[in-house]
Amino acid sequence: DIQMTQSPSSLSASVGDRVTITCRASQSISNHLNWYQQKPGKAPKLLIYSASSLQSGVPSRFSGSGSGTDFILTISSLQPEDFATYYCQQSYSIPRTFGQGTKVEIK
Amino acid sequence: QVLLQESGPGLVKPSETLSLTCTVSGGAVSGNYWSWIRQPPGKGLEWIGFIYSTGSTNYNPSLKSRVTMSVETSKNQFSLNLSSVTAADTAVYYCARRTEYGSGYYHMDVWGQGTTVIVSS
Repeated sequence: DIQMTQSPSSLSASVGDRVTITCRASQSISNHLNWYQQKPGKAPKLLIYSASSLQSGVPSRFSGSGSGTDFILTISSLQPEDFATYYCQQSYSIPRTFGQGTKVEIK
Repeated sequence: QVLLQESGPGLVKPSETLSLTCTVSGGAVSGNYWSWIRQPPGKGLEWIGFIYSTGSTNYNPSLKSRVTMSVETSKNQFSLNLSSVTAADTAVYYCARRTEYGSGYYHMDVWGQGTTVIVSS
């Protein structure tokens, strides 16, 4: 199985801050990497697919980059509705695997 | 707009079979891939597997011996059976649509709201 490791596991930030979350794969996955946002009690929501493509309807302050084993999710200016847990997920091989999540909290 | 809704018992006894159904509205089960994902309380996401509308499947090897997925196109539904459950199978279970972007790039773009299943006697 491909292991996905996110860092940090949690972070505190203020509204307006630039936030970056890193995801590392245990082997190269090219750009077969998706990012999801999950709020408490809700289903995950797709933000970014294929490492850098913004899902329709997702604000442009979200962006993704990376290829191979290292990937980054960036929120350019954190908004109140962005406080949530973020997961990366590889779609390169079976079984699909997720990172452990990064919880973004209010500072 | 495609919507997914999970349904099934919220309580299952140990050693029994967990059975869930996902109903698709606003779109067709036919011609699509459908996934199941679960999330134990306070933990991360685990991919269970997916099924194509023709019935072909791909399961997580860690669960493969206990998982069966099926699709019923006439009802626009697909289902998950997980046998011999234990407390470790207690989780929120989500169904989702798997979509392909370009060639060979996949993501899950539509999710159900999730249903909580507790395994307890």
